[in-house]
Amino acid sequence: KQEVTQIPAALSVPEGENLVLNCSFTDSAIYNLQWFRQDPGKGLTSLLLIQSSQREQTSGRLNASLDKSSGRSTLYIAASQPGDSATYLCALRGAGTALIFGKGTTLSVSS
Amino acid sequence: GAVVSQHPSWVICKSGTSVKIECRSLDFQATTMFWYRQFPKQSLMLMATSNEGSKATYEQGVEKDKFLINHASLTLSTLTVTSAHPEDSSFYICSAPPVGTNEKLFFGSGTQLSVL
Repeated sequence: KQEVTQIPAALSVPEGENLVLNCSFTDSAIYNLQWFRQDPGKGLTSLLLIQSSQREQTSGRLNASLDKSSGRSTLYIAASQPGDSATYLCALRGAGTALIFGKGTTLSVSS
Repeated sequence: GAVVSQHPSWVICKSGTSVKIECRSLDFQATTMFWYRQFPKQSLMLMATSNEGSKATYEQGVEKDKFLINHASLTLSTLTVTSAHPEDSSFYICSAPPVGTNEKLFFGSGTQLSVL
């Protein structure tokens, strides 16, 4: 059974710092991996999607990497801003089309 | 792009009442809809998969008689929490599978249910 773990559970940084969020998974047989942003009491915003054949994806200040062999993905956020404060979720798609989520990392960026 | 509209955004109800949550695909047809539940500080957990015109598939541990799912049309899936209890208080969110070559799933905005 696929398990997704995100570390750390919470992170507080001052504005301007670069930071890395980690996601690990137990079954490397994945179709793709996505990083989402969730604001309190709201739905999900898809940030980046990495296919199983890809190593990384970039969008603006965000860069996500995928290492299937080691069962790891990282989300790198450059020059963090207070508006980046949210919970970041890592989710995997396996054989089916439903996603398996980690518990998330709650990020707080102070100005 | 494809949009999934979910409502209500939040609902407060008394214990024992039933609550219906709707998810509509606005500009595409969704033959399948995934329903997730998220308890505080926990991950989103798949509850069930609804399929248009057929019975929903429930994940292990989810009571199908308590969480009624209906997918009567290609644009509407509903989740009804019957005889809600405080332990059913949670964030419920729906998701439609990718459309065409777009690999991303489309999520509703979620429903925060609080049962008093």
